[in-house]
Amino acid sequence: QQPVQSPQAVILREGEDAVINCSSSKALYSVHWYRQKHGEAPVFLMILLKGGEQKGHEKISASFNEKKQQSSLYLTASQLSYSGTYFCGTEIGSWGKLQFGAGTQVVVTP
Amino acid sequence: GAVVSQHPSWVICKSGTSVKIECRSLDFQATTMFWYRQFPKQSLMLMATSNEGSKATYEQGVEKDKFLINHASLTLSTLTVTSAHPEDSSFYICSARAGTGDTDTQYFGPGTRLTVL
Repeated sequence: QQPVQSPQAVILREGEDAVINCSSSKALYSVHWYRQKHGEAPVFLMILLKGGEQKGHEKISASFNEKKQQSSLYLTASQLSYSGTYFCGTEIGSWGKLQFGAGTQVVVTP
Repeated sequence: GAVVSQHPSWVICKSGTSVKIECRSLDFQATTMFWYRQFPKQSLMLMATSNEGSKATYEQGVEKDKFLINHASLTLSTLTVTSAHPEDSSFYICSARAGTGDTDTQYFGPGTRLTVL
């Protein structure tokens, strides 16, 4: 039931864009995106609930496809502070239990 | 808002001893708390789900007699690693969920790094 995340890692120059994907074999109740920096706890970015939904905060946005089996996280005009490991957490039901993908390590260089 | 604390931040113990880790929601009442374990460069693996006043629900493969969870109040859950061994060394992270609504997500504590010698 663990979602599949891709790519495993991406290296960007400041100002470049990247896309991280999170896929499930089953329709999901929701998708939660987090970013974790080394040695720290994951920090919540956003939650998507509805098929076809898109939302964002500043230059980080995410989408949830109509079938609710795939979500993508978009890093636009990346900044050095975007470096970290990004995890998607997925819910099958509404009881709040999340299964996390393996993570995508993002390194943004000057 | 939505701050979760964990104590201690790190602990080193001898094999065979027990270690207690506390997880507190500081500015909200958590209906549910979750405990995760994370090995280096790996994902977060859910260990158990804890609801206040009831027994924790453990994920498959997690020994409930080894990882004791107590959810004493809406702001405090504890994880006790009993008879710890070197293979239990890991980063333990708790999270707390404020409500039961669709938009309620989990907020994570800063984690506890356990090293068993």
